[in-house]
Amino acid sequence: HLQVQESGPGLVKPSETLSLTCTISGGSISSSTYYWGWIRQPPGKGLEWIGSIYSNGDTYYNPSLKSRVTISVDTSQNELSLKLISVTAADTAVYYCAKVPIIAASPSEFDPWSQGTLVTVSS
Amino acid sequence: NFVLTQPHSVSESPGKSIIISCTRSSGSIVGNYVHWFQQRPGSSPTTVIYEDNQRPSGVSDRFSGSIDSSSNSASLSISGLKTEDEADYYCQAYDGNNWVFGGGTKLTVL
Repeated sequence: HLQVQESGPGLVKPSETLSLTCTISGGSISSSTYYWGWIRQPPGKGLEWIGSIYSNGDTYYNPSLKSRVTISVDTSQNELSLKLISVTAADTAVYYCAKVPIIAASPSEFDPWSQGTLVTVSS
Repeated sequence: NFVLTQPHSVSESPGKSIIISCTRSSGSIVGNYVHWFQQRPGSSPTTVIYEDNQRPSGVSDRFSGSIDSSSNSASLSISGLKTEDEADYYCQAYDGNNWVFGGGTKLTVL
């Protein structure tokens, strides 16, 4: 049973870089049958897709965040990572990672989701 | 990029039925699967409908999904409402290397 769990600092200073890691267990991050995604949710607000990555390293980013986001995988550690540079208070949110199965050559739903980690941007 | 628009909130009494809509602003709702997530307070989202109308194992058959090409929208229907259905519901679709979420609908069962 595949599970995903994110980890990282809960507090980041303005203008610095937010870095999170998502550890996959019960499956391989290298599988060609999945994408992997990052999603965030500001307090009291809705879900926002940040970006996704395929097993071949191809990345896809939300146009509104593209200039500040990098998503990568470490196959040796079976981990997914997120880096968001030049953060501001607007980047304060719960951050989730999730698996995206590929069905009929197209991404399906985000499932499962990690438990989420609150990252606060504050000095 | 396209936008998925949901009503901000809906409310209904226990035992009744509701429909939550998700309207796509551009591009076709048909052929680009819509998924629905339920999020209870303090919890991660979970799938209640995937690929327009498929229900994951373990999800009650009171939940169903549909697509209407004439209105370019998707709908989530919940019948026999229970207080445990009170949550936020989000639709989501993928198209052209973009994953898009609707703004979410708060369902109140009172």
